[in-house]
Amino acid sequence: KNQVEQSPQSLIILEGKNCTLQCNYTVSPFSNLRWYKQDTGRGPVSLTIMTFSENTKSNGRYTATLDADTKQSSLHITASQLSDSASYICVVIRSNDYKLSFGAGTTVTVRA
Amino acid sequence: ETGVTQSPTHLIKTRGQQVTLRCSSQSGHNTVSWYQQALGQGPQFIFQYYREEENGRGNFPPRFSGLQFPNYSSELNVNALELDDSALYLCASSQTHLDPGNEQFFGPGTRLTVL
Repeated sequence: KNQVEQSPQSLIILEGKNCTLQCNYTVSPFSNLRWYKQDTGRGPVSLTIMTFSENTKSNGRYTATLDADTKQSSLHITASQLSDSASYICVVIRSNDYKLSFGAGTTVTVRA
Repeated sequence: ETGVTQSPTHLIKTRGQQVTLRCSSQSGHNTVSWYQQALGQGPQFIFQYYREEENGRGNFPPRFSGLQFPNYSSELNVNALELDDSALYLCASSQTHLDPGNEQFFGPGTRLTVL
C-alpha cells in the first residue's frame, strides 16, 4: 500500500475558480512534505516545502497546509488559470534515510 | 526551468534490448537520483548516486544499473528490456544527500517505449 495517498485522482474546474487537493500520508519518521507541479511529459517542479512545525506555506496562488498530527496536507489553488492544468504530486521525506515517497498525483484540468 | 538536462527525450526499443539514458546535473550538485514514472503514477525511486557511488536503491532488479561520473553527470542502464519498462525516466539532482530539506531539481525526463 502506498504510503502517500492523494485525492481526488483528477478534477476539472473552470478558469478563475478555486480548488483544493488532498494528501494523506503514513510515512514515518517525518522530515518534510513537498508539493510538486508536473506538466505533461515534463519533470516535476517544486511548489512548496513544509517541515513539521509549519502549518501553512504559500507560493503565489498556491497555498499548502500541513497537519502533522493527522498526517494530512492540502494544496489550495486560488483563481485558477489555464496554465494550472497539470498533475500535482505530494511527496513526503523520511527523516532517517531521507527517502522520498511520492503520491500518484492529482490531475487538474482548468477549462475556459 | 532547472539546470538538469536529460537525453534523449524519447526512445523506442524492443524487448530484450539494452538502453542507456543520460543526465547532467545542475551546477554545484553532487547527488543524482533516478526515478521511473509509469503513466498516471507517481515516480518510483530507482537509485541514487553521490560522488560516483551508489547511495541507496529502490525495488528494482539488477538489470537496472547506473553510473556517476567525476563531473556528477549520470547514466541509467537497463538491460533485457521488458514491456513494463515503458515509462518516463526522471533524473533529479541535489546539492547533497545528507540534508532531507535539500531540494531535488528534476530534469524533463526521457520517455522510453518498449515494443
